[in-house]
Amino acid sequence: SQQGEEDPQALSIQEGENATMNCSYKTSINNLQWYRQNSGRGLVHLILIRSNEREKHSGRLRVTLDTSKKSSSLLITASRAADTASYFCATLTSGTYKYIFGTGTRLKVLA
Amino acid sequence: GAVVSQHPSWVICKSGTSVKIECRSLDFQATTMFWYRQFPKQSLMLMATSNEGSKATYEQGVEKDKFLINHASLTLSTLTVTSAHPEDSSFYICSASDRPSYEQYFGPGTRLTVT
Repeated sequence: SQQGEEDPQALSIQEGENATMNCSYKTSINNLQWYRQNSGRGLVHLILIRSNEREKHSGRLRVTLDTSKKSSSLLITASRAADTASYFCATLTSGTYKYIFGTGTRLKVLA
Repeated sequence: GAVVSQHPSWVICKSGTSVKIECRSLDFQATTMFWYRQFPKQSLMLMATSNEGSKATYEQGVEKDKFLINHASLTLSTLTVTSAHPEDSSFYICSASDRPSYEQYFGPGTRLTVT
């Protein structure tokens, strides 16, 4: 399959806890993006991290990228019920326009 | 930032009819646009890539005669689902890219339901 793999597939945590999602991919990449998708809705862009970057922060979000392991992680700190959604990583294969999406992690934050 | 819109955001049509979905880049010129589909509880799968003024390149397994893509200008691409059937019901998402960054900006998606 061309798809990236994300784990866990589903994650259920209490409000206030941290949530970590992982993404692994197979090709050499230019960049990796994380998206959120609420049930039945469109994609919301969270963070873009380029292949020469190792870590990026945006508010309560922290993304790391390890190109040697072909993996990335998304950490959401102090989670809220509103963070309940599916989270996808998308990798841009080097030298192409082709983004490959991961299988997604369904996060449920319990109030 | 770069904004991509889609219209309509949702559409219901009868089996056998055709449906056109528009994808527009609002504040940049998109030399390349992409169309994805997403089945319920699944990830996005790339259907086709289109460059302005040329024919679209379809991914393996995607019927080019069923999913007609036109990229007539640097700000507009359209996807027409011809002779739609219930199995075509899906979430269709477009994205657009302006060279040379290779980065893509995604539209909000269009939910198609075929009855």
